[in-house]
Amino acid sequence: GQSLEQPSEVTAVEGAIVQINCTYQTSGFYGLSWYQQHDGGAPTFLSYNALDGLEETGRFSSFLSRSDSYGYLLLQELQMKDSASYFCAVRVMSNTGKLIFGQGTTLQVKP
Amino acid sequence: SQTIHQWPATLVQPVGSPLSLECTVEGTSNPNLYWYRQAAGRGLQLLFYSVGIGQISSEVPQNLSASRPQDRQFILSSKKLLLSDSGFYLCAWSRGSGNTIYFGEGSWLTVV
Repeated sequence: GQSLEQPSEVTAVEGAIVQINCTYQTSGFYGLSWYQQHDGGAPTFLSYNALDGLEETGRFSSFLSRSDSYGYLLLQELQMKDSASYFCAVRVMSNTGKLIFGQGTTLQVKP
Repeated sequence: SQTIHQWPATLVQPVGSPLSLECTVEGTSNPNLYWYRQAAGRGLQLLFYSVGIGQISSEVPQNLSASRPQDRQFILSSKKLLLSDSGFYLCAWSRGSGNTIYFGEGSWLTVV
């Protein structure tokens, strides 16, 4: 089977830093992606890691360790608008963008 | 630029009725296309994906089916809906070897 594990909920205050972890067990691995979804909306792409290490995009960073089957999304300088669900997803085939998603982490940012 | 559209945005259907959700992509050719379903408060479950016209891969056995009659058109159908078919249906596309998939606006289906 294929599974991705991430915490169901995280709460933090404005201006803080939060880390959302993701561990995976899949039949194939070609990269780890992160998506953000606000209530009632469609998921939007945040980041992608194919190789080990840290990728930084503004206030968001994503990390991957393929040997540990583990990654995380780091959100810095949290803002109220960051309150959303965050999904990790594994690309499981090399010739398509087919993704297997985790169950999502609901982030609540408090003032 | 590329855009993806799906419709209808919301629908309420009685149990046993048929379903047709449609999705089109503009601004690219030969995209990979996907249908995902999201139950309330849950993750995204891949239902079908297609790498070309007439080529459909089913991920989950169920009473849904998909078709790709044209390069940039993807249709999700059912002959008889079940209550468990309720959810948020998302069409998405990617380039063949791309690492990012792009989602449409989604369709909320309530089966009553």
